[in-house]
Amino acid sequence: GESVGLHLPTLSVQEGDNSIINCAYSNSASDYFIWYKQESGKGPQFIIDIRSNMDKRQGQRVTVLLNKTVKHLSLQIAATQPGDSAVYFCAEVESGGSNYKLTFGKGTLLTVNP
Amino acid sequence: GAVVSQHPSWVICKSGTSVKIECRSLDFQATTMFWYRQFPKQSLMLMATSNEGSKATYEQGVEKDKFLINHASLTLSTLTVTSAHPEDSSFYICSAIAGSFYEQYFGPGTRLTVT
Repeated sequence: GESVGLHLPTLSVQEGDNSIINCAYSNSASDYFIWYKQESGKGPQFIIDIRSNMDKRQGQRVTVLLNKTVKHLSLQIAATQPGDSAVYFCAEVESGGSNYKLTFGKGTLLTVNP
Repeated sequence: GAVVSQHPSWVICKSGTSVKIECRSLDFQATTMFWYRQFPKQSLMLMATSNEGSKATYEQGVEKDKFLINHASLTLSTLTVTSAHPEDSSFYICSAIAGSFYEQYFGPGTRLTVT
């Protein structure tokens, strides 16, 4: 499962490179997943989502991949820009449960160097 | 798009006092709102689910008598931190559902510092 620690995983990339952020989720019954971007001092911002009946979904400059076998999500950002610098969280939902709620992963700090 | 606001954006209070944080859905009605807490360099942890017109549902380990939640209207939920202590210092974030659970929008957060 996801553990909350005092040190965020970090990823540092050069502007223009592609970024890949990974997330391991804990609940095999989760069937809906979301990636959020959180800039310093702000609330989370929706990026892209995917349901468990899909293994890939594309948005503008972003792609989410889902591997249910190993309970792994990834977020790919193409042509990363300085404005992409933020903490990225994956979140999972078990929609079949009686009480919908988001469970957040521990986050990854992405730093884009100009 | 749907907008959620929080007030205040930051607050400093003395230990032992109470602080109220408001969460408003500005352009939609929200029957359900959620309250999260986020410590520095950590993830968001769900504290409670707030349903309009009924009692909030608290997550395990969250003291309902310390974190009072009121959802008196379809556009407003409040979180009151009673008898605040320095360990309550954190970033409090709300979210609101517009329609289905999958349409969940987050507020900008409130930074609470207890001295």
